[in-house]
This record gives sequence, structure tokens and C-alpha cells, in this order.
Amino acid sequence: DQQVKQNSPSLSVQEGRISILNCDYTNSMFDYFLWYKKYPAEGPTFLISISSIKDKNEDGRFTVFLNKSAKHLSLHIVPSQPGDSAVYFCAASDHGSSNTGKLIFGQGTTLQVKP
Amino acid sequence: EPEVTQTPSHQVTQMGQEVILRCVPISNHLYFYWYRQILGQKVEFLVSFYNNEISEKSEIFDDQFSVERPDGSNFTLKIRSTKLEDSAMYFCASSERGTGELFFGEGSRLTVL
Repeated sequence: DQQVKQNSPSLSVQEGRISILNCDYTNSMFDYFLWYKKYPAEGPTFLISISSIKDKNEDGRFTVFLNKSAKHLSLHIVPSQPGDSAVYFCAASDHGSSNTGKLIFGQGTTLQVKP
Repeated sequence: EPEVTQTPSHQVTQMGQEVILRCVPISNHLYFYWYRQILGQKVEFLVSFYNNEISEKSEIFDDQFSVERPDGSNFTLKIRSTKLEDSAMYFCASSERGTGELFFGEGSRLTVL
């Protein structure tokens, strides 16, 4: 089941630069998308979300862009900080047919921010 | 800040034994979930629970799995007869409503020998 895909297993950027994490999805019924960050030995922590009625949502250093026609979303972190080093998961849900809150996760991208 | 708490943090069990993983969701949340992550794989949905019943479950959640909210604060996942392939990190999550973000606990690592 590859409904949500993060094709880059890892990304390395220099502190202060922009980090761009990408995510693709195949299910056109998805209408809500989220990014989670995960440190080792911890649970996923919610970062930012976007509804399909928007194409951009910004929260401080984090911005999520949604391109529905391409079924693609991305998370921009600027400026990147060493504390941002973690695994980032993209997740999606289909609220139109289900209000159960079920999320479908991507495989994750490990971000390393070098000082 | 309110958080989801899970116990135990790590459990080792023999194949065929029953395991109960416990979770205390955030107190004003109404929706509860179990997810799992096998080492090196995706975080996978197992089950969602609302109003004292299962609202959705995945094909992974077969008859050997069950969930319960035995009192006003705990939410449990029971695996009746564990298999080697049940070894994973199990995450409990809760949310205020059936849409929006889920808040995850730190996970319970289950090792089946």
C-alpha cells in the first residue's frame, strides 16, 4: 500500500539553509495532510497540517505547500537548525468518507542539519 | 502540556503469550487510536475507537487483537497470542475530534521471542 510516498529516505542540509521535504500521494480522496517529526525513542510529534482547500500553510519556520493537481506536498523549513534533525513523516487522511481520524503515513525522510 | 502516556515502554514476551499495552490519552480527547511501526517500516494504522466502540480497523487488526477502554482514562490494546511478526513499536494516539491532528504517545516496544 503506497498511497503516501516519501521518495527521499534522507536529506542533509547546512544550518541556516532551507530544508525541503517532499511527499507524493495517489489517493485523490485525501483531503487533509499533516507533517510529523519523530526523534529516536519518541512518538511522532505534530508539526503542521493543510486542508485540501488551501495550497499553503505557514507556521513560523515551517511552511507546507500543496499541489493537488500533482498530488504533491512539501514541507519547507527555513532557516534550518541542528535541532530540526529528525525523521519527518508525511501523513494524509480522507475526511470526506470517514471521520475516524485514520492517517496514512509515508515512509519518512531523515533530515540532518549540520552546524 | 497534556500528553499521551504509554506503558510499558518495552515488553519482551514469548511467542504465543498474551500482551496488554496500556495508554492514557489526553483527558478531553474523544478519539483514540493504535498505530504500529515495525523496524524500518512505515507507521501503520491499526484501529480507531470512539464512543466505546471501534470506528475503523485495518486488515492488520485481526481476531488476535482487541481494544478496550476499561475506565474513564485508560485505553488498552490486547494481543491474545503473540507472533514473531508482532514485534514492533506500538503507538497510542488521541484526538479531540475525528478530524485534525493526532497526538501520539512515546510508544511501547514489543519484542516477541
